[in-house]
Amino acid sequence: DGGITQSPKYLFRKEGQNVTLSCEQNLNHDAMYWYRQDPGQGLRLIYYSQIVNDFQKGDIAEGYSVSREKKESFPLTVTSAQKNPTAFYLCASSMDLFLPGAEAFFGQGTRLTVV
Amino acid sequence: AQSVAQPEDQVNVAEGNPLTVKCTYSVSGNPYLFWYVQYPNRGLQFLLKYITGDNLVKGSYGFEAEFNKSQTSFHLKKPSALVSDSALYFCAAEGGFKTIFGAGTRLFVKA
Repeated sequence: DGGITQSPKYLFRKEGQNVTLSCEQNLNHDAMYWYRQDPGQGLRLIYYSQIVNDFQKGDIAEGYSVSREKKESFPLTVTSAQKNPTAFYLCASSMDLFLPGAEAFFGQGTRLTVV
Repeated sequence: AQSVAQPEDQVNVAEGNPLTVKCTYSVSGNPYLFWYVQYPNRGLQFLLKYITGDNLVKGSYGFEAEFNKSQTSFHLKKPSALVSDSALYFCAAEGGFKTIFGAGTRLFVKA
């Protein structure tokens, strides 16, 4: 089945640690996104990418980093510089960033908790 | 600034009754509008979208949405609610190659 796979489902981070969230898609989509979801705030865009080796900051990129070495993969690293990382993280993809009206396909999410 | 507003945090409806989840938007140019649904601890699932044409858009699971340009609204509707429709619903608008999401509305359908 085609889709987006995020792992792990749950992740616990100690203060000062960097952690990496995995996102893989087999939909052959060009565009990939990372969103952060907090209660009552909807989804906020962290980073997005249209092609391999190219990515752009979203609205809340501080404290996060990404890479796009393969079309299928778009991992997100939550660094120690992110002061409030506890949230639900969603990865998404769409056919093309520049294709108007293309709907997004989402992974199942990773719930990150700082302990 | 571009934005999407969902004025109700929660909507309660009895099973079998019609439901409406409200959404208004503020984006430049012609709007591309979406509705997504999220079940607990899951990702979002696409329900329907408006690109152009007929103002009434039909989507998955019997949902439909009405685009009203003069009121800049895109309300989600279903003629007869099911308990299984209980979930978190997000309205979204595309503006400038970015998708802007509303804060979400929790729909609770009582048996």
